[in-house]
Amino acid sequence: DTEVTQTPKHLVMGMTNKKSLKCEQHMGHRAMYWYKQKAKKPPELMFVYSYEKLSINESVPSRFSPECPNSSLLNLHLHALQPEDSALYLCASSPNGVSYEQYFGPGTRLTVT
Amino acid sequence: GQNIDQPTEMTATEGAIVQINCTYQTSGFNGLFWYQQHAGEAPTFLSYNVLDGLEEKGRFSSFLSRSKGYSYLLLKELQMKDSASYLCAVRNYGQNFVFGPGTRLSVLP
Repeated sequence: DTEVTQTPKHLVMGMTNKKSLKCEQHMGHRAMYWYKQKAKKPPELMFVYSYEKLSINESVPSRFSPECPNSSLLNLHLHALQPEDSALYLCASSPNGVSYEQYFGPGTRLTVT
Repeated sequence: GQNIDQPTEMTATEGAIVQINCTYQTSGFNGLFWYQQHAGEAPTFLSYNVLDGLEEKGRFSSFLSRSKGYSYLLLKELQMKDSASYLCAVRNYGQNFVFGPGTRLSVLP
């Protein structure tokens, strides 16, 4: 299994809703990432988990809450989002070494109404 | 600070060779990665450089000069399916990746 899966593919939510994005990989990778990508812009790093511990939080608002229940799963809990949070949310994983690339999931396209 | 620059757009002809440049200034350096991203899809890995010099992978090659903070991606024998955005990313410390703005390449028949 050489892929990163993400669910759902599309999500529309209101500003008062609570929802979660899910990411899964079974490649034995020990680093997992959340990125936000707006149209025609590069991915922006949000969070990094290394060995199931949060190692990087790029000053992301608290309405985004990551969770890493185990080494294969990564969640992003969403609450009280704003319309400007509408974007493609990408999950990625990599082996925990400096010479390894990231493998990206297909992304969840989020629309906040 | 972190700064990565790439040309915004490039156009080339099918069968030709194109070079996409990337310059960077980052707080640390643990490697430079090139990704391809088709519209509406996730980025896919193309190549990786950590030492100076050229890395070749089929039709794609990537070059790095750490002293100049410079890299390029060379695409040979261009095909229509190569029309995509090409992202340069620097791993500056730990697991921290910083992406450049991306270069949108259009391949014309």
